[in-house]
Amino acid sequence: GEDVEQSLFLSVREGDSSVINCTYTDSSSTYLYWYKQEPGAGLQLLTYIFSNMDMKQDQRLTVLLNKKDKHLSLRIADTQTGDSAIYFCAESFSGNTPLVFGKGTRLSVIA
Amino acid sequence: DGGITQSPKYLFRKEGQNVTLSCEQNLNHDAMYWYRQDPGQGLRLIYYSQIVNDFQKGDIAEGYSVSREKKESFPLTVTSAQKNPTAFYLCASAGTGGTFGAKNIQYFGAGTRLSVL
Repeated sequence: GEDVEQSLFLSVREGDSSVINCTYTDSSSTYLYWYKQEPGAGLQLLTYIFSNMDMKQDQRLTVLLNKKDKHLSLRIADTQTGDSAIYFCAESFSGNTPLVFGKGTRLSVIA
Repeated sequence: DGGITQSPKYLFRKEGQNVTLSCEQNLNHDAMYWYRQDPGQGLRLIYYSQIVNDFQKGDIAEGYSVSREKKESFPLTVTSAQKNPTAFYLCASAGTGGTFGAKNIQYFGAGTRLSVL
């Protein structure tokens, strides 16, 4: 069955880089996503990557995909206190099929 | 300003009562979804609809019902059969419109927090 695994917590110092990791089991996944959730809020889409890509960069965000190992990572450069939130990895077979989510990684940024 | 609107933000349910959560989108998206979020559980799929007048059960549909009479609306009813309804409910839609502009990316509303009195 489908499953997405993430570590639950990550703590970094302000200005350092953060790397949040995710593994997934469904090799037919076509879309892989990173969402951010601040306390009491909905999910904000940060970035996504198609399974035929290895890397995607968007300003401070870099997504790396290792399809062989079914491993996805999100790197946040120059992490700021405003980056403190829960980050969810998600996969789907196609863009409008339901997402399968990991349990989220809580990122704490220490000033 | 395009987006997904969920209402109310907070909702309280008395025992034996049905309550309905509203979800409206003006992104012209075909697909809409309801997820439930519990602490430490991630998000779990309740129902989804890929086209008007059609919907499918997700992983935890028991005790919930939906309708999709209009493209822009996908209300969720939490029935009295749902014995543990306290959770954060998130609605999403997917289609071509949206901030990222790419096809079929899912966007979320701000959520409704449901509690039992």
